[in-house]
Amino acid sequence: NAGVTQTPKFQVLKTGQSMTLQCAQDMNHEYMSWYRQDPGMGLRLIHYSVGAGITDQGEVPNGYNVSRSTTEDFPLRLLSAAPSQTSVYFCASRTTLFSGYTFGSGTRLTVV
Amino acid sequence: GNSVTQMEGPVTLSEEAFLTINCTYTATGYPSLFWYVQYPGEGLQLLLKATKADDKGSNKGFEATYRKETTSFHLEKGSVQVSDSAVYFCALSEGETSGSRLTFGEGTQLTVNP
Repeated sequence: NAGVTQTPKFQVLKTGQSMTLQCAQDMNHEYMSWYRQDPGMGLRLIHYSVGAGITDQGEVPNGYNVSRSTTEDFPLRLLSAAPSQTSVYFCASRTTLFSGYTFGSGTRLTVV
Repeated sequence: GNSVTQMEGPVTLSEEAFLTINCTYTATGYPSLFWYVQYPGEGLQLLLKATKADDKGSNKGFEATYRKETTSFHLEKGSVQVSDSAVYFCALSEGETSGSRLTFGEGTQLTVNP
């Protein structure tokens, strides 16, 4: 019963580098989302998906891309890292609109 | 748009004290309401939820009642323990048109001292 698995747990990037944050869930959840957590700002939605092949933008999508080729996986790509993207990133999934989200343990990203 | 406002923290209590963390919301329709808890170095865990007015969510001694008339969802616990020290987030989710979007409050840091 792995739930939502995020990799890596920690990452340091140089400005301008690209990388992919991985997210996988084994609960057959249709809904998946990426959030970033910054001090004093709670969690903000980056991108979300309501099923394989369907994605949409959240509150703060600029600088990030996503795709959803399978139900299980929802990777987040940083195209050209900037210091403003230093944050903790959480992936989450859920079954229905009224069910709670299951969160991964997070990726702490630092861009220098 | 939707928004969630939580009481400012941090909150520091002694063990066995009564806890209230206030949460109010603004939404255009009929949201579902949630409380999440985040322990140090971990992701968020769902603590409790309520999906319609007057519903009471409860879990691990925590309770919150969905009050539509005051647009509130305050978190309460009668007797806190040291192990309850964490950050608590109030959140709402509204309607299929918003997809799977959760709107979070800023979080309230709770520290319980022995």
